[in-house]
Amino acid sequence: AQTVTQSQPEMSVQEAETVTLSCTYDTSESDYYLFWYKQPPSRQMILVIRQEAYKQQNATENRFSVNFQKAAKSFSLKISDSQLGDAAMYFCAYRSTPLNYGGSQGNLIFGKGTKLSVKP
Amino acid sequence: EAGVAQSPRYKIIEKRQSVAFWCNPISGHATLYWYQQILGQGPKLLIQFQNNGVVDDSQLPKDRFSAERLKGVDSTLKIQPAKLEDSAVYLCASSPRGLAGGRYEQYFGPGTRLTVT
Repeated sequence: AQTVTQSQPEMSVQEAETVTLSCTYDTSESDYYLFWYKQPPSRQMILVIRQEAYKQQNATENRFSVNFQKAAKSFSLKISDSQLGDAAMYFCAYRSTPLNYGGSQGNLIFGKGTKLSVKP
Repeated sequence: EAGVAQSPRYKIIEKRQSVAFWCNPISGHATLYWYQQILGQGPKLLIQFQNNGVVDDSQLPKDRFSAERLKGVDSTLKIQPAKLEDSAVYLCASSPRGLAGGRYEQYFGPGTRLTVT
């Protein structure tokens, strides 16, 4: 079974600075998808960024980028120019590809999350 | 485009009572998911529907939890009887495709916060 581990329960960053959130995962599959979701106090989960494991290039979405190290099974999120609105819980998630659907049936497997605080 | 709708937003019940949550996915989305998110943890899948059929309910406590998706659109999740450990946020999500495309994003609703006293 796949597992996702986020070892930083809480992180803090100064506004306009850069912060990196860590995520490691365990899988025997060679192809899969990785996601970072943001969950503000409103509880709505919002997709931040997506990485497809077969792509070597790291995904980037505006101020958000990832460092995907497939061999190390590491998937960190870097937030540049942090803004007050970035304060939230951040969840790393894993999803199998269709060819590997079996027990997981394509659902998301989440880590425990990292609470990010942004200081003005 | 309207997002995933859930109701109620909050619910407080006593243990052994029953409760039901409702979810209306984004129009046209074939796949619907119910997740349970206990405080301090990430969401955990309870049940996945593809249209009106159950794809995965392996983590659903079937002795007390039930779910249905009539006509492949709205879905209802029920707990009967509730236990203290059922206190959590219940998230509904939908996706354009499930089995056919894992890259497709899951869109989440605002969730229902259940407190069992």
